[in-house]
Amino acid sequence: LAKTTQPISMDSYEGQEVNITCSHNNIATNDYITWYQQFPSQGPRFIIQGYKTKVTNEVASLFIPADRKSSTLSLPRVSLSDTAVYYCLVGDGFSGGYNKLIFGAGTRLAVHP
Amino acid sequence: EAGVAQSPRYKIIEKRQSVAFWCNPISGHATLYWYQQILGQGPKLLIQFQNNGVVDDSQLPKDRFSAERLKGVDSTLKIQPAKLEDSAVYLCASSLESPTSYEQYFGPGTRLTVT
Repeated sequence: LAKTTQPISMDSYEGQEVNITCSHNNIATNDYITWYQQFPSQGPRFIIQGYKTKVTNEVASLFIPADRKSSTLSLPRVSLSDTAVYYCLVGDGFSGGYNKLIFGAGTRLAVHP
Repeated sequence: EAGVAQSPRYKIIEKRQSVAFWCNPISGHATLYWYQQILGQGPKLLIQFQNNGVVDDSQLPKDRFSAERLKGVDSTLKIQPAKLEDSAVYLCASSLESPTSYEQYFGPGTRLTVT
C-alpha cells in the first residue's frame, strides 16, 4: 500500500514563495499526482496535478522528480487567503483493476502579515 | 455549473442509531466518491462508484456502512448502527471518468456527531 508523508505545518509571510513536499512510495506508475487545498468547514478544492517533471497553472506549480517518489507544490507570492490545509493525493497502483486513492495527512499552512 | 450537493450539513445522533447522507454529483460526472474525514486527518476513501458499479469499497466498514448509487446519479451513504468513532465529516466528490486523473469536485460535507 502506498504511504504518503507531508510536513504537519508550515509558516510563511505574505509575498513569499512556499514549497510543500509530499513523499510517496509505491504509487501507481501511470497516473497523476494531485494536490488539494482545504479551508475550514469546506470540502477540498483541486489545485493542480501532474505526471512528471513540472506543471504550472495560474495558482501553483508542481515539481515531480523522475523517480516520482515525491512531489513539491509551489505557491508563488502567498497571501493571507492561502492559509489552509494542503493535501497530496496519489494512487497506490492497480489492484484488481483500479487505483486505491490515498490522501496525505495534510500540511497546515499559516500565512502571516 | 452547479457543484456537488450534500445533505444534511450537520447531524447529531446517539450511538447505535442509524443515519443516512445524500449526495447529488455534478451533472455528467460518472465517478462518485464518499470520504470520511476525521478531525485533523486527511480524507479517507470509503467507496468509489463508476456509474452504477462499485470500483473500490475496500475501506468501507461493511458491517455497519452501506452505500448505493441509483441510476448512476445520486448516492446515499448509510451507517447502521453508529459508533462514537464514526464522528467525522463525510465528504462526497465527483469527477469525470478518467482512469488516471484525480481532479475531483467536493461537496461541503456532512458533519456527523455521535454521542
